[in-house]
Amino acid sequence: EAGVVQSPRYKIIEKKQPVAFWCNPISGHNTLYWYLQNLGQGPELLIRYENEEAVDDSQLPKDRFSAERLKGVDSTLKIQPAELGDSAVYLCASSLGTSGRDTQYFGPGTRLTVL
Amino acid sequence: AQKVTQAQTEISVVEKEDVTLDCVYETRDTTYYLFWYKQPPSGELVFLIRRNSFDEQNEISGRYSWNFQKSTSSFNFTITASQVVDSAVYFCALSDTTTSGTYKYIFGTGTRLKVLA
Repeated sequence: EAGVVQSPRYKIIEKKQPVAFWCNPISGHNTLYWYLQNLGQGPELLIRYENEEAVDDSQLPKDRFSAERLKGVDSTLKIQPAELGDSAVYLCASSLGTSGRDTQYFGPGTRLTVL
Repeated sequence: AQKVTQAQTEISVVEKEDVTLDCVYETRDTTYYLFWYKQPPSGELVFLIRRNSFDEQNEISGRYSWNFQKSTSSFNFTITASQVVDSAVYFCALSDTTTSGTYKYIFGTGTRLKVLA
C-alpha cells in the first residue's frame, strides 16, 4: 500500500513569491492534516480536513496561507506571499477515521527555504 | 491544558546499550491517546505505537518497550540493545478532546537519539 505522497520534496524561493505544496493521502483515508515543523521542534497543526471540510483551521495564518481539498482526496497548501519566517518543513498526514484515536501516517514533507 | 514534555533534547549512547526516552503529558480528559513516532534523517515520521488511556499494560515489540503510568502521566519508551539504525528523533504525541469537542493532536519537542558504533 502506498504511503502519503508529497511534492515537491524541496523548494527554494525568494521572499514575496508564492509557493504551493501538494499532498496525496493514503487511499481511503478520510482525514488529512497539514503540519508545520520548525527546526528542532515537533509538528504543529495548520489545518485538518475531514473529507472535503476543513474542521480545524484555527492555527492557519489566513492572511497568507490557504488550503483546499477538492473531492476529498488530494490537497494543496499555498503560501502567498512567502516570508523569511515561513522556512520550515511542511508535513502532510492522513488517518483512516475522524476521531482522536486514529493513527496519523505522515508523508516525507516539503522542505521550504525562503531567501 | 494539553501539553507534552520531552525533557531530553539529545541522548548519545554506545551501540548495544539500553536507552529510555521520557515523555510526560498533561490533559484534563479521562479518555486520550498517546503515540510515539520516529523521525529518521530522511524526515518522514514513522508510527511506532498507540496507547489509549484505559490500557496501562506495558508493551514490548522486539527491542522496543513502552511503560505507561497514569499515576505519573508518563509514557516512556525504551530501546534495548540499541543499534546505529535507531539514531533518529523520537516524538511523543497526545490526542485528547478540546473544549469545543473536537480532538487535538499535540507533539512534544522530540528527543534526538544518537547511537554510536
